[in-house]
Amino acid sequence: SQTIHQWPATLVQPVGSPLSLECTVEGTSNPNLYWYRQAAGRGLQLLFYSVGIGQISSEVPQNLSASRPQDRQFILSSKKLLLSDSGFYLCAWIFGTDYNEQFFGPGTRLTVL
Amino acid sequence: GENVEQHPSTLSVQEGDSAVIKCTYSDSASNYFPWYKQELGKGPQLIIDIRSNVGEKKDQRIAVTLNKTAKHFSLHITETQPEDSAVYFCAASLGTGFQKLVFGTGTRLLVSP
Repeated sequence: SQTIHQWPATLVQPVGSPLSLECTVEGTSNPNLYWYRQAAGRGLQLLFYSVGIGQISSEVPQNLSASRPQDRQFILSSKKLLLSDSGFYLCAWIFGTDYNEQFFGPGTRLTVL
Repeated sequence: GENVEQHPSTLSVQEGDSAVIKCTYSDSASNYFPWYKQELGKGPQLIIDIRSNVGEKKDQRIAVTLNKTAKHFSLHITETQPEDSAVYFCAASLGTGFQKLVFGTGTRLLVSP
């Protein structure tokens, strides 16, 4: 069966510090991968998605970047965090081109102080 | 682009009652409509979905209906239980592509014993 992992689970960082959040998927190959941000009490905003290694599409201009160094690894980064980067970050995956169902990881709670 | 509106934002019911959450979408090319349940501090969990070639789908106490002409779809939960309490999100696929979803803003459902 497939499993998606995210770490860390929670993170408190000062403004201006760097960020690296990791997402990995087990039990499948060549998944489509997604990063979402969820602000408190709000819906899900798509940040990035990837259909393969090194292929990243950005949905909104922002202070964040994403990378996919391996087939089942997706990383969300920032060089300098802003207060507005606080939120709940969710990674999600889809089997591939011919599938619809999107499955989410457990999330990372980021607080920028 | 696609816009998904979800109502109500909060819904309180007594245990055993039915709950209905409604969503409308704007892109007539959308063809996939999932519903997610999110418990506090966790990632969203896919609970049911429907494709545009189907008008209704049921899974035990949960059902989803789709009206493509009116561009709206609804989640129906019968015989609600306290463990149904969570935030529910609807989503619609972006255009004819499967790869991206646009989410509603969520409905907080509270089921009182």
